[in-house]
Amino acid sequence: GEDVEQSLFLSVREGDSSVINCTYTDSSSTYLYWYKQEPGAGLQLLTYIFSNMDMKQDQRLTVLLNKKDKHLSLRIADTQTGDSAIYFCAEGLGLTGGGNKLTFGTGTQLKVEL
Amino acid sequence: GAVVSQHPSWVICKSGTSVKIECRSLDFQATTMFWYRQFPKQSLMLMATSNEGSKATYEQGVEKDKFLINHASLTLSTLTVTSAHPEDSSFYICSARAPGLSYEQYFGPGTRLTVT
Repeated sequence: GEDVEQSLFLSVREGDSSVINCTYTDSSSTYLYWYKQEPGAGLQLLTYIFSNMDMKQDQRLTVLLNKKDKHLSLRIADTQTGDSAIYFCAEGLGLTGGGNKLTFGTGTQLKVEL
Repeated sequence: GAVVSQHPSWVICKSGTSVKIECRSLDFQATTMFWYRQFPKQSLMLMATSNEGSKATYEQGVEKDKFLINHASLTLSTLTVTSAHPEDSSFYICSARAPGLSYEQYFGPGTRLTVT
């Protein structure tokens, strides 16, 4: 089966950049995603990248994809206390009939300190 | 944007009873919905893929007779945990495939199930 791994914990100071890393194993993934989960809540899609792209920037978020190494990263610029949450990467495999089956990483707890 | 709701948001039940969790797409039709479970401080694990009008596809290791999924309409999928046991206590999250956008799923807020 697929294994998607992330470091468990990251602590940064407010205003600094955060970089969350993810490694995946299935090279046939079509999309790769970053989700945010706040305590006791569902998942919020932050951004995604198509597998034939190397980089995607969306306001404070930058996603880098190294397909050769199966490595995905999420950079959050000017990290704020409201960014404190668990961040999950996920790889998507296409389903017959449409849609993607998502396999989630282990999650990274981001703590932003003043 | 597309909204997915779940009901109830939390439920406590006694061991041996059954619990039904609803997942609704509020402002769009969802031909495909997904059910996940999440243990404390762990990742989401896909349990099953639910297609409207057909039987759900269960992931390996998920008991289909214990976790009954019904996707009877384009806006509603239900997950019934039958004969619940304390080890079934978990956070259950559903998602719905976005219409016309194969790459995106909208997630519900989750249902916290505690079996005593």
